[in-house]
Amino acid sequence: GENVEQHPSTLSVQEGDSAVIKCTYSDSASNYFPWYKQELGKGPQLIIDIRSNVGEKKDQRIAVTLNKTAKHFSLHITETQPEDSAVYFCAASIYGGSQGNLIFGKGTKLSVKP
Amino acid sequence: DARVTQTPRHKVTEMGQEVTMRCQPILGHNTVFWYRQTMMQGLELLAYFRNRAPLDDSGMPKDRFSAEMPDATLATLKIQPSEPRDSAVYFCASGLVGGNIQYFGAGTRLSVL
Repeated sequence: GENVEQHPSTLSVQEGDSAVIKCTYSDSASNYFPWYKQELGKGPQLIIDIRSNVGEKKDQRIAVTLNKTAKHFSLHITETQPEDSAVYFCAASIYGGSQGNLIFGKGTKLSVKP
Repeated sequence: DARVTQTPRHKVTEMGQEVTMRCQPILGHNTVFWYRQTMMQGLELLAYFRNRAPLDDSGMPKDRFSAEMPDATLATLKIQPSEPRDSAVYFCASGLVGGNIQYFGAGTRLSVL
């Protein structure tokens, strides 16, 4: 089955700096890669996703890149702000698959220091 | 504002007691997922349902955990008997068949003493 590895487990940056979180997956059939953000006391919420037919996707200060050959994908946050502090999870799945279940990485705790 | 609703938000109980957690998926969603979150294991998938039928519950300890969907608006996760190692945050998420986005509830924080 699919296995998703996520690094680093913790990341501390200064406000305004960039943050990068990396994930690798094992199943070449996976073609859908979402990122979820979990704030303290809340459930994870989708912030951006990418399908394997594109290599990069941007939404304001966040972007995700995908390297299908190497089976890894990354989340990039630019101009970080204190409200970006949270736990971020990557996941992998088969888009539109009959089951729809996501395999999550173990999460990265991002701290943005003012 | 459609959202997944989980009750209770917090539960403290003693070892050996039965615990029932409830989830109301977003209206119209036909897949439901139960996750357990701990510091050590991260987000673990316990079970998921499609159109109220259980598709996979291999992540659940069968001897003490059970998950059901009595109707399309309610999913339940029961632990009987509860043990201290069950202490965790339990999340429910819902989505649509053929889609991949999962919408999470706020979770139930369970403490078993």
